[in-house]
Amino acid sequence: EVQLVQSGAEVKKPGESLKISCKGSGYTFKNYWIGWVRQMPGKGLEWMGFIYPGDSDTTYSPSFQGQVTISADRSISTAYLQWSSLKASDTAMYYCLRQPGGGDAFDIWGQGTMVTVSS
Amino acid sequence: EIVLTQSPEFQSVTPKEKVTITCRASQSIGSSLHWYQQKPDQSPKLLIKYASQSMSAVPSRFSGSGSGTDFTLTINSLETEDAAAYYCHQSSSLPHTFGQGTKLEIK
Repeated sequence: EVQLVQSGAEVKKPGESLKISCKGSGYTFKNYWIGWVRQMPGKGLEWMGFIYPGDSDTTYSPSFQGQVTISADRSISTAYLQWSSLKASDTAMYYCLRQPGGGDAFDIWGQGTMVTVSS
Repeated sequence: EIVLTQSPEFQSVTPKEKVTITCRASQSIGSSLHWYQQKPDQSPKLLIKYASQSMSAVPSRFSGSGSGTDFTLTINSLETEDAAAYYCHQSSSLPHTFGQGTKLEIK
């Protein structure tokens, strides 16, 4: 079964760092783009950026450029989303997703990781 | 950045009704428009890709149409399990963008 399994929920304080993960299985991880989408509480979907694990080519949405870092370790079929200094406004559900090509639909989604940032 | 505008944002419907959700792009995107369903407390699920290609295992009452700037998701004979938010997404150019979503409530 093709799936993306994300790491568990996190509760952090403002200013702390965080790295969440997304592990792919059931397919050749390095051949598909992995993207990240934010969904703030009660709101819609926002595309943050994506990475091609085959060569680590990464593109960010202008809205998220400089705010987060997307990376991948193809040896363990895992992609990451990280923050160096969290803000309360980063509180959201984060989904990873798979794309066959950079201009394709998002065909597989992870279960989501809830990040709560609160003092 | 391409802006996608969905309408309506909310609709309350009865079972067996026909529902039409529209998505308008701020510039032409060909057929690079996809539709997702997100049920409460679940991840989004791809329903239709490239405007009209239904994904396997998606019920046949869901269909999509359109090209260029105007697109439609149609649900024929709505069922109670279709209560969800629906989002369009364009992959024609970066950054990828989503519509603001349409929430369907079943009466």
